[in-house]
Amino acid sequence: AQSVAQPEDQVNVAEGNPLTVKCTYSVSGNPYLFWYVQYPNRGLQFLLKYITGDNLVKGSYGFEAEFNKSQTSFHLKKPSALVSDSALYFCAVRDSPFGSARQLTFGSGTQLTVLP
Amino acid sequence: DTEVTQTPKHLVMGMTNKKSLKCEQHMGHRAMYWYKQKAKKPPELMFVYSYEKLSINESVPSRFSPECPNSSLLNLHLHALQPEDSALYLCASSHPNGGLAAPYEQYFGPGTRLTVT
Repeated sequence: AQSVAQPEDQVNVAEGNPLTVKCTYSVSGNPYLFWYVQYPNRGLQFLLKYITGDNLVKGSYGFEAEFNKSQTSFHLKKPSALVSDSALYFCAVRDSPFGSARQLTFGSGTQLTVLP
Repeated sequence: DTEVTQTPKHLVMGMTNKKSLKCEQHMGHRAMYWYKQKAKKPPELMFVYSYEKLSINESVPSRFSPECPNSSLLNLHLHALQPEDSALYLCASSHPNGGLAAPYEQYFGPGTRLTVT
C-alpha cells in the first residue's frame, strides 16, 4: 500500500521569507513523488516531480523539493515567498511498477498563506 | 500547449436532470482522468481512460457515466444525481502509464463546479 501525509493543514509565512511545505510518504517499492498547486477555483497545476537521481528537484515558479530517503520525506521549498504563492499545495506519491497501486495517492493538502 | 479545457465552468442541475461535462486536450496524451474534489480536500479519482478504453472505475455509482469518443475528448454524463454529488469535477490528462516506466505527471483542467439541487 502507498500513502502520503502532509502534517500541516495551514502554513503561514511572511513575504520574502523562505517557505517549506512538508510531505512524508510510505511505499513498498521505490517512490515516485509529485507536488501540485491549486489556486482558488482552479484545477491543479504540476510543480515538480522526483523519479530518480539528484535528491534536489527544481520545478516551476522557483520551487524546489528535497527527496530524503532515510526520512521518507519530500518537502517543498522556496527561498523567498511571494504573496502570489498563496494557494493549496498537494503532495502525491506513486509506488514503483512493482507495487500494487495503479494510480497517484494525494496527501490531504496544505494551505499556504504568504503575508505581505 | 499544455492546456486542458473543461465546459461548462459552472453547472446547476436538479436531481432528475441529465447533463454532460466535457473535457478536451490537444497534447497528444492517451490517458485521461475524471476526479471529484470537495472543498479543501484532495481530488478523488473516479475514472481512467487509457487509449480510449476505460481502464479504471473506482466503484463510482452508475449515475455517473464516462465516455471517451476519441483521443482528445472525454465526457462525463450525469443522471439522477444526489445533492452530495455537488463538487468540483476535474479532468486531467497524461501520457499513459504502464509497464516499468515511471509515471507521468498529469495536467488538469480548471474544473466544472457542479451544484445539485
